[in-house]
Amino acid sequence: EAQVTQNPRYLITVTGKKLTVTCSQNMNHEYMSWYRQDPGLGLRQIYYSMNVEVTDKGDVPEGYKVSRKEKRNFPLILESPSPNQTSLYFCASSPLAVPYNEQFFGPGTRLTVL
Amino acid sequence: AQKVTQAQTEISVVEKEDVTLDCVYETRDTTYYLFWYKQPPSGELVFLIRRNSFDEQNEISGRYSWNFQKSTSSFNFTITASQVVDSAVYFCALSEIDTGGFKTIFGAGTRLFVKA
Repeated sequence: EAQVTQNPRYLITVTGKKLTVTCSQNMNHEYMSWYRQDPGLGLRQIYYSMNVEVTDKGDVPEGYKVSRKEKRNFPLILESPSPNQTSLYFCASSPLAVPYNEQFFGPGTRLTVL
Repeated sequence: AQKVTQAQTEISVVEKEDVTLDCVYETRDTTYYLFWYKQPPSGELVFLIRRNSFDEQNEISGRYSWNFQKSTSSFNFTITASQVVDSAVYFCALSEIDTGGFKTIFGAGTRLFVKA
């Protein structure tokens, strides 16, 4: 089944404890992206990747890191999480790295930072 | 700068009513792409439609229709004869080429309640 998977789905952590949210897609898509969803703000793009080893900042990259060492994986790293990073996170992918393709979204990761 | 405005935060209708969700966008580019996504209560994001900036044809898909007007920078979404299953948050989004690749901007979303 073609899908984008994220792990974990739910995570409660404490301020300053490094964490990684994994994202993997099995559709051979070039483009991958991370978003955070907050009430009243919609989805905001954190980072995106046009292909392996090519990443760029979205609108809200502060406090996050990403890497794209393999085509299928695009982990989101929070080196020192803070409470303002409590949010619902979505990973997405799309083919051919062009903007007219719709994005396929993972199920979301709900992160709480205490 | 890019911007997508969905001025309606919440809309409540009774089943079988028609409802229109508004989307107004801002961009300096002549080439861009517009999307609508649905987020039902279960939380996943579901793609509904895309339009490129050169295609102003309106589209109908069953009870759903979309009206794209470049003159007013709007891409509105109408649900005809709404049903309870249409209850969801609907997002309008704009994608365009940026220096590093392409970026996508989402509106804040409109939460639609359809009451039986």
